[in-house]
Amino acid sequence: AQSVTQLGSHVSVSEGALVLLRCNYSSSVPPYLFWYVQYPNQGLQLLLKYTSAATLVKGINGFEAEFKKSETSFHLTKPSAHMSDAAEYFCAVSGAVSGYSTLTFGKGTMLLVSP
Amino acid sequence: ETGVTQSPTHLIKTRGQQVTLRCSSQSGHNTVSWYQQALGQGPQFIFQYYREEENGRGNFPPRFSGLQFPNYSSELNVNALELDDSALYLCASSLALSGSVSDEQFFGPGTRLTVL
Repeated sequence: AQSVTQLGSHVSVSEGALVLLRCNYSSSVPPYLFWYVQYPNQGLQLLLKYTSAATLVKGINGFEAEFKKSETSFHLTKPSAHMSDAAEYFCAVSGAVSGYSTLTFGKGTMLLVSP
Repeated sequence: ETGVTQSPTHLIKTRGQQVTLRCSSQSGHNTVSWYQQALGQGPQFIFQYYREEENGRGNFPPRFSGLQFPNYSSELNVNALELDDSALYLCASSLALSGSVSDEQFFGPGTRLTVL
């Protein structure tokens, strides 16, 4: 079984400040990990994914995440927050079960950016 | 390239009714997955269709059913609606070559279902 825990349902930062969204995973097999962003009244957009290549993954909009096996973590960071980053962020783990793959999501973290 | 589309955008039903939600997958994709996202929660996997067959299912009762058509579009049907079925229903398509865990899923904008 696989699971994802996102620490903090809400994170508030000032524009220009560092963004850090935390994600810990549990997986019985080497995981594939994803970060998605959801803007209000929209579907999910992929930010980045880890698929067992480089442990530091760069995504869109200046986001990156580092896979740390020893800590079972895949935290999302951005050096400088922008107002347009305000949205909900979901961490997900992918697993193959009986020949198909699916995503298990965390509960999400709402990022609030103040001027 | 056309992305994943879903219809309708919003829907209001009453308890006990039945509903059908529709999804058109991204061009070239052969797999569709459906997710339920309750308010304040992450999406939960309902089921997946590959080449018109259900090949995986999450922890949802049989009154949740689906179809995939030869053009890879899909429907989600929910019978005997309950209040707790109120949620955003997301469809995601992917090109599954062998059920690889790295298959990237592309999401549609969702259908907001309200059950009164």
